[in-house]
Amino acid sequence: DTEVTQTPKHLVMGMTNKKSLKCEQHMGHRAMYWYKQKAKKPPELMFVYSYEKLSINESVPSRFSPECPNSSLLNLHLHALQPEDSALYLCASSQGGQGVGYTFGSGTRLTVV
Amino acid sequence: AQKVTQAQTEISVVEKEDVTLDCVYETRDTTYYLFWYKQPPSGELVFLIRRNSFDEQNEISGRYSWNFQKSTSSFNFTITASQVVDSAVYFCALRPSNTGKLIFGQGTTLQVKP
Repeated sequence: DTEVTQTPKHLVMGMTNKKSLKCEQHMGHRAMYWYKQKAKKPPELMFVYSYEKLSINESVPSRFSPECPNSSLLNLHLHALQPEDSALYLCASSQGGQGVGYTFGSGTRLTVV
Repeated sequence: AQKVTQAQTEISVVEKEDVTLDCVYETRDTTYYLFWYKQPPSGELVFLIRRNSFDEQNEISGRYSWNFQKSTSSFNFTITASQVVDSAVYFCALRPSNTGKLIFGQGTTLQVKP
């Protein structure tokens, strides 16, 4: 299995809703990432988990809350989002510090209304 | 500062033409990794190649080739005999050695017309 699987593929949520994005990989990768990509822009890093511990938070607002329950799963909990948070959210995983096998999922396209 | 510059915002070619996408990077690290990704309209980022800073050997994979030159901090990507299916946004990215973060260029939108 050489894939990173993200669900759902599309999500529409209101500003008062709570929702979660899910990311799963079974490649044995020990680093997992969340990126945010606005239209016509490059992906921007949000969070890095290394060995199930949060190692990088790129000053992301607290309405985004990551969680890594185990080495294969990464969640992003969403609460009280704003319309400007509408974007493509990409999950990625890698074997660790050498950039080997840096693999992206197909993303969740989020619309906040 | 760590930075990746893709000066070409959009390129349009006719099928079967060769096209080169430029990538220039900045880093003070001696060990780093460079990547190219393809992003079709469906949205996923498709991995094309990874290079570490100690390996300047150029690489060819089918119609794709990459030219890595540390002296000019460039990692250019050439598609030979382009096809309509090559139409996508292409990102060059830098990964410093001490972080899992990928630093992306702004991307080049390639349109291949039949």
